[in-house]
Amino acid sequence: DIQMTQSPLSLSASVGDRVTITCQASQDISNSLSWYQQKPGKAPELLIYDASTLETGVPSRFGGSGSGTDFTFTISSLQPEDIATYFCHQYHHLPLTFGGGTKVEI
Amino acid sequence: EVQLVESGGGQVQPGGSLRLSCAASGFIFSRYWMHWVRQVPGKGLVWVARINTDGSSISYADAVKGRFSVSRDNAKNTLLLEMNSLRAEDTAVYYCATLVAERVMDNYYYGMDVWGQGTMVTVSS
Repeated sequence: DIQMTQSPLSLSASVGDRVTITCQASQDISNSLSWYQQKPGKAPELLIYDASTLETGVPSRFGGSGSGTDFTFTISSLQPEDIATYFCHQYHHLPLTFGGGTKVEI
Repeated sequence: EVQLVESGGGQVQPGGSLRLSCAASGFIFSRYWMHWVRQVPGKGLVWVARINTDGSSISYADAVKGRFSVSRDNAKNTLLLEMNSLRAEDTAVYYCATLVAERVMDNYYYGMDVWGQGTMVTVSS
């Protein structure tokens, strides 16, 4: 199975700050990586797929980069509504796997 | 409106069975691969199973293989998850979802990413 190591586990930042989350795959997954945002009591929502493609309707302050085993997710200017937990997810190989999540707080 | 709605969750004793349903609406259900993903409240997401458009290709996570069975009824726009021999570690919120990308052999197929609201399954005596 491909292990997805996400860091940090949590972070606290101020409104307007740039936030960066990393995800490392245990083997090459090309660019088969997506990023989800999940708010308490809600289902995950897709933000980024193919490592860097912004899902339709998602604000441009969200971004992603990377390929192979190392990936980065950024929020260029943190907004109050971005408070959530973020998960990376690989779809290169079954079983599909997710990172452990990063809780973003203000 | 594109929507997935799960039902069938509840409390069951260890060793028991439960059947989850996922009703799809607002899109052509028969054209999409479907997944079940579970999440212990406050914890991470864990993929459970995947079924292709006509039900001829199904994959399971090792943790549920031999105990869970996924199927679909395209005429009724419904995805099902039969869960048998339930264990305490199966306690979670179960989501049905269609994911933005599917890798089949060496090809990628892109669609939409839609999740249901989830249904809670509690395995406890």
